[in-house]
Amino acid sequence: DAKTTQPPSMDCAEGRAANLPCNHSTISGNEYVYWYRQIHSQGPQYIIHGLKNNETNEMASLIITEDRKSSTLILPHATLRDTAVYYCIVRLYTGTASKLTFGTGTRLQVTL
Amino acid sequence: NAGVTQTPKFRILKIGQSMTLQCTQDMNHNYMYWYRQDPGMGLKLIYYSVGAGITDKGEVPNGYNVSRSTTEDFPLRLELAAPSQTSVYFCASSYSLQGARSYGYTFGSGTRLTVV
Repeated sequence: DAKTTQPPSMDCAEGRAANLPCNHSTISGNEYVYWYRQIHSQGPQYIIHGLKNNETNEMASLIITEDRKSSTLILPHATLRDTAVYYCIVRLYTGTASKLTFGTGTRLQVTL
Repeated sequence: NAGVTQTPKFRILKIGQSMTLQCTQDMNHNYMYWYRQDPGMGLKLIYYSVGAGITDKGEVPNGYNVSRSTTEDFPLRLELAAPSQTSVYFCASSYSLQGARSYGYTFGSGTRLTVV
């Protein structure tokens, strides 16, 4: 699976959009980009995933560049409850086990 | 639905003791996983299972064993506890991949284990 690079930490004011970047320059054509978050040592929570098109759900939007070498997770109106570690993961569809490899992620701090 | 349930939530073991971390899911997921997370680090895969009776090693399997006799349950066994196994353990489950799409994992709330 391709490696990802994320900034170790970011700050965001409550009510503003939080834009979390991720570089995955070695991604291959059939690898998906996944985002998870972990709030205060709870189990990680699935947020969103995509292949090459931009995706949006009730939690967030995922913007993937045309060359697929980077992506951005957007939380449109961050709240204090969005303070968490956010993991960007690139995973190959293997047809067998779908193993996710977690890095150290980005620690997002939402402030008043 | 309860999702993924892990027990116990906390445990202190002495060096050399053994224990089993329990994990059960009620979503009829065929894939299940065990991860460990050391302080300030990401999650590392210990073992995984693609269905009842089928298990395989992940990134850090040494010192652990698993079994999968039913779809719902995936216990993790520590035979001779060592201080290096002090960590938070997460169990997760997912559907198998279907076509070109795939589905997210559902994680349990974790078991915090300290070996002294």
